[in-house]
Amino acid sequence: GAVVSQHPSWVICKSGTSVKIECRSLDFQATTMFWYRQFPKQSLMLMATSNEGSKATYEQGVEKDKFLINHASLTLSTLTVTSAHPEDSSFYICSAAGLAGVEDTQYFGPGTRLTVL
Amino acid sequence: EDKVVQSPLSLVVHEGDTVTLNCSYEVTNFRSLLWYKQEKKAPTFLFMLTSSGIEKKSGRLSSILDKKELFSILNITATQTGDSAIYLCAPETSGSRLTFGEGTQLTVNP
Repeated sequence: GAVVSQHPSWVICKSGTSVKIECRSLDFQATTMFWYRQFPKQSLMLMATSNEGSKATYEQGVEKDKFLINHASLTLSTLTVTSAHPEDSSFYICSAAGLAGVEDTQYFGPGTRLTVL
Repeated sequence: EDKVVQSPLSLVVHEGDTVTLNCSYEVTNFRSLLWYKQEKKAPTFLFMLTSSGIEKKSGRLSSILDKKELFSILNITATQTGDSAIYLCAPETSGSRLTFGEGTQLTVNP
């Protein structure tokens, strides 16, 4: 139980294009989903928290107009990187929290590696 | 501002050794402390600790939390090369929010 999927697992795009990443909780309802970014040799940095049906809460320094988050249902959240630039190249990881079992905590997706040329 | 410090940042051992990884934290609205193992992809869950002094075990891994002194340790006994990974600790605060430490890069040599 408590499986979270992400799609795509990797993506390469040209500078200036937009990229959408999907995060799905496969076997439980995720009341909250989180988006993280991880640069090489660094830890996970929380970008934003989203609750189903409401606007996402962004961490300080994260541009909400650049990183659009939509949490349309209890099993799906999307992150769209708009007008991507090479400095946006990173490993993007989502996690989902909900009543997934005995331990109510975050479960992570496998991550999406974004490379912007 | 929430703060998490892990030590050591890097550790190289031989198979069969026992290692202890440390995590100290200062956060507001603490709920629990989580340990994750990260290899090439996203972190995989190891332990969730909510009470002080109660050891959690899973095979050769064990962990304990001290809420008074604000730290946790992760022990790995009889290490194997497959234990090589980055180990992350993350205190959880209200709203299921996690703050990650920098991680300990563990390398187990045969």
